[in-house]
Amino acid sequence: GQSLEQPSEVTAVEGAIVQINCTYQTSGFYGLSWYQQHDGGAPTFLSYNALDGLEETGRFSSFLSRSDSYGYLLLQELQMKDSASYFCAVNSGNTPLVFGKGTRLSVIA
Amino acid sequence: DAGITQSPRYKITETGRQVTLMCHQTWSHSYMFWYRQDLGHGLRLIYYSAAADITDKGEVPDGYVVSRSKTENFPLTLESATRSQTSVYFCASSEKTGPYSYNEQFFGPGTRLTVL
Repeated sequence: GQSLEQPSEVTAVEGAIVQINCTYQTSGFYGLSWYQQHDGGAPTFLSYNALDGLEETGRFSSFLSRSDSYGYLLLQELQMKDSASYFCAVNSGNTPLVFGKGTRLSVIA
Repeated sequence: DAGITQSPRYKITETGRQVTLMCHQTWSHSYMFWYRQDLGHGLRLIYYSAAADITDKGEVPDGYVVSRSKTENFPLTLESATRSQTSVYFCASSEKTGPYSYNEQFFGPGTRLTVL
């Protein structure tokens, strides 16, 4: 089976940097995705890591370590609009994405 | 309008009734998915489809039926609704094929279903 662990809640200050971790256990692994979901909205794709290392997209970066079965999402220069839930999701190839339970990020002034 | 749409956006029904949630996408994506989202459980896959007339069960398929006669439509039916099926339902689609098929899913706006 597959399982993902991520913190349920994180709080950070506007302008700061926050890291949301995700550890996974899966039989077969092709990549780790991150999705953002604002309250009342639909999840939207943020990033995908298939190889070890850091992928940067503007203020957001995502990291993967396949040997540690671990990844994280890094959000820099936090803004109030970044308050949302963030989901990691594993692609193990033969089955659809398996999502973590999500991390609710609250950005405070 | 291009994209992925769901209807209805809100639905209240009673226990035992049949309910169908509609999903329509205009991208001609091969893959389509149905998820339910409940507090504390994240997104759980109900059913998915790799192409027209090809469907498969996800993590929580019991009590649900799907069909996909056309690439663009993927309706989800609750044959006899139960209170435990009160949830927010999201439809999603994806265009990629191969081992990376299930990445970058595009989600519809969701249907909030209440079963009384």
